[in-house]
Amino acid sequence: NAGVTQTPKFQVLKTGQSMTLQCAQDMNHNSMYWYRQDPGMGLRLIYYSASEGTTDKGEVPNGYNVSRLNKREFSLRLESAAPSQTSVYFCASSEGIRAGRRETQYFGPGTRLLVL
Amino acid sequence: GEDVEQSLFLSVREGDSSVINCTYTDSSSTYLYWYKQEPGAGLQLLTYIFSNMDMKQDQRLTVLLNKKDKHLSLRIADTQTGDSAIYFCAESSPDYKLSFGAGTTVTVRA
Repeated sequence: NAGVTQTPKFQVLKTGQSMTLQCAQDMNHNSMYWYRQDPGMGLRLIYYSASEGTTDKGEVPNGYNVSRLNKREFSLRLESAAPSQTSVYFCASSEGIRAGRRETQYFGPGTRLLVL
Repeated sequence: GEDVEQSLFLSVREGDSSVINCTYTDSSSTYLYWYKQEPGAGLQLLTYIFSNMDMKQDQRLTVLLNKKDKHLSLRIADTQTGDSAIYFCAESSPDYKLSFGAGTTVTVRA
């Protein structure tokens, strides 16, 4: 039981290049999330998927796209990378977004991305 | 997140108690959380408190919630070197996603 896994761990891109960050969870969770972490700003939600087949924008979606490939996998794509997208990206999952219920989110180890 | 505020740094001597403070703005938050991030790792849930509680204790951890002032604190008793990490406060937003503070970096000195 690996929990939440992310690939790659590190990536260096040139401005304008594209790439996809992969995330998978083996906890049979319904909801998945992508965050970015920048110094002094905590975690900001980029996109989330409340359930398989649905995706919604979070706080900072510009410059990103996502795909909920199946219940296990949720990918984040940068179509044309910019230096402002240099960050640490975290994927998380939870049982499901349900009103009034505690939703513990479980996090992956992160992907460190540098855009030159 | 702009709605959750924490001080950025805390230095504490080994064996002393650490207190990390957080303020939030959403009075409708159902749950409030504390996450811990060790260097190079993802976030790990430490503890949480339901909004109708004032206090929760879990071994060395004590969470205090002042709902009137929208103030949350995490006290770590007998702080150890393994407690050095970044601690994030988070509130559940009305649509039950999480809003995080900027994180408090706790440094434990011998």
